[in-house]
Amino acid sequence: AQSVAQPEDQVNVAEGNPLTVKCTYSVSGNPYLFWYVQYPNRGLQFLLKYITGDNLVKGSYGFEAEFNKSQTSFHLKKPSALVSDSALYFCAVRDPRDQAGTALIFGKGTTLSVSS
Amino acid sequence: KAGVTQTPRYLIKTRGQQVTLSCSPISGHRSVSWYQQTPGQGLQFLFEYFSETQRNKGNFPGRFSGRQFSNSRSEMNVSTLELGDSALYLCASSLGSGLPGYEQYFGPGTRLTVT
Repeated sequence: AQSVAQPEDQVNVAEGNPLTVKCTYSVSGNPYLFWYVQYPNRGLQFLLKYITGDNLVKGSYGFEAEFNKSQTSFHLKKPSALVSDSALYFCAVRDPRDQAGTALIFGKGTTLSVSS
Repeated sequence: KAGVTQTPRYLIKTRGQQVTLSCSPISGHRSVSWYQQTPGQGLQFLFEYFSETQRNKGNFPGRFSGRQFSNSRSEMNVSTLELGDSALYLCASSLGSGLPGYEQYFGPGTRLTVT
């Protein structure tokens, strides 16, 4: 069965420092991977996705993610964190063989806290 | 282009009642999915509709149902509400179904509280 793991419930980083939010997945074959961010009392906002091609994917707000097939990981990164990046981050996976629809399997989420 | 809209934003219901939530997708998007978000279970897929047909369904009881109209707007219904149904219900739209590479765009959600 497909699954996504976000091993850290919370990540704390100082403003200006690089940040990493970790994600590992379990899917047979090549997965489709997504990162979303959720601000308080808001829906999820799409950040970036990996479908195929370059392992380093660039997305919105300066975020990027690196797909590593051997480690089955898709970590979210940003070179310099901002206080406004503080939010709840979700990694999600979709099995490309699933032709029935577009359901996303989400990780539990990681709270990112950026201090000034 | 307007985003995904959901109504109402907040709802309080009593156990045993039923509730209907509404979602209007981004213009041109034909796929609408619903998710339930709770602190304990996280984000869980409920179902997806495309061209007025249910394409996929998550592991939820039959009390949870939905439909999609010809203009792609969607509604979900929960009958015989239980306390455990209290959650944020998120609607997401996508360009198409069976195209798993397309990202989903989420609405702000409907916060349902069951007392």
